[in-house]
Amino acid sequence: QVQLVQSGAEVKKPGASVKVSCKASGYTFTNYGITWVRQAPGQGLEWMGWISAYNGNTNYAQKVQGRVTMTTDTSTSTAYMELRSLRSDDTAVYFCARDSPGPVSTGADYWGQGTLVTVSS
Amino acid sequence: EIVLTQSPGTLSLSPGERATLSCRASQTVSSSYLAWYQQKPGQAPRLLIYGASSRATGIPDRFSGSGSGTDFTLTISRLEPEDFAVYYCRQYGSSFGGGTKVEIK
Repeated sequence: QVQLVQSGAEVKKPGASVKVSCKASGYTFTNYGITWVRQAPGQGLEWMGWISAYNGNTNYAQKVQGRVTMTTDTSTSTAYMELRSLRSDDTAVYFCARDSPGPVSTGADYWGQGTLVTVSS
Repeated sequence: EIVLTQSPGTLSLSPGERATLSCRASQTVSSSYLAWYQQKPGQAPRLLIYGASSRATGIPDRFSGSGSGTDFTLTISRLEPEDFAVYYCRQYGSSFGGGTKVEIK
């Protein structure tokens, strides 16, 4: 069965970086993309970006462009999302999800369990 | 950038009632790329509808999607207790709407 398992919760200081992992299983990793979405406490869903697991092409949201890097390791079927220069408003639960192989999504059908990232001095 | 506006913000209904949720886009959105998600507290979102009207795997037929252009609708024909949640629309694989909370009246 398809599963996405994310790394554990993180606490970071402002200005630091965080790297969240998302290990996929149960499907051919390179046939899909991975979308990253975050949700601040009590708020809605915010799309952060997408990466093709086939060729590494990325598409980032304007809001985090320049601070975010999404990568994949096809040898381990793992996707990574690194966010730099953290601010308090980056405090959120970060989700990965299996998505379309191209940048235009037809629906993210399997999701990781979420990773809480807390940014606090 | 296309902005999705969902209404109402909160819908208070009783089990067995019909729920109608709206998602309006600031520009025309291809129906192929409009999706609806359900999220319950403490859980990841779940894909309900893709391509504006196709149900995802395992989604009960009381959930239906419709619409085109700039106006899309998610309808839950008869609310079950497990349907009380927040619903989000999403377009083109990027931005989400602000969500509609369906709560028990």
